Amino acid sequence: EPEVTQTPSHQVTQMGQEVILRCVPISNHLYFYWYRQILGQKVEFLVSFYNNEISEKSEIFDDQFSVERPDGSNFTLKIRSTKLEDSAMYFCASSPQGSVGNTIYFGEGSWLTVV
Amino acid sequence: QQQVKQSPQSLIVQKGGISIINCAYENTAFDYFPWYQQFPGKGPALLIAIRPDVSEKKEGRFTISFNKSAKQFSLHIMDSQPGDSATYFCAATSGGTSYGKLTFGQGTILTVHP
Repeated sequence: EPEVTQTPSHQVTQMGQEVILRCVPISNHLYFYWYRQILGQKVEFLVSFYNNEISEKSEIFDDQFSVERPDGSNFTLKIRSTKLEDSAMYFCASSPQGSVGNTIYFGEGSWLTVV
Repeated sequence: QQQVKQSPQSLIVQKGGISIINCAYENTAFDYFPWYQQFPGKGPALLIAIRPDVSEKKEGRFTISFNKSAKQFSLHIMDSQPGDSATYFCAATSGGTSYGKLTFGQGTILTVHP
């Protein structure tokens, strides 16, 4: 079964450093998403992306966050100046279309630890 | 108004028993309610989903019951197996450009004892 792949699986970074998390969505999918899950808490929506632009973003997705689709296969989340509270599991997801009934597939996540 | 409340936080069931997880929502604009299963170290995987125009959906041992007037929905796992031990999340979203903006419940850790 096709899957969303994410790299790295785990990254430790110093506070204030920039981090880029990478994702390869399922190949024929058009909609891409980032979610995060702080340890012990629920999964939270960050941003959705379609046709090379942000469709929707949450209050969490402030100016320190950005997303990009630099080529035909990768989808990245950049955190410009990491904070301790950015420590979380970050999930990339994708769906074939952006309409009800289209399954949203999640990757296995990238665990970010900010020290 | 965007919250989805899930209970219980954890659930222990004997093999062969029925596992029941409940969720409640407030936003009447939600019109798609998926349940996700997550194993340790893995991402959430879609288990089953329902739209509010039906009151029940069954796929194998998994059934969603939906009560639109009460704004509640639940997951029933029949004949629970040790392999069902995982974290289960209910979620909700509306259509249109907000479709991918899933609002998740807090999750239920299910343990099925052999």
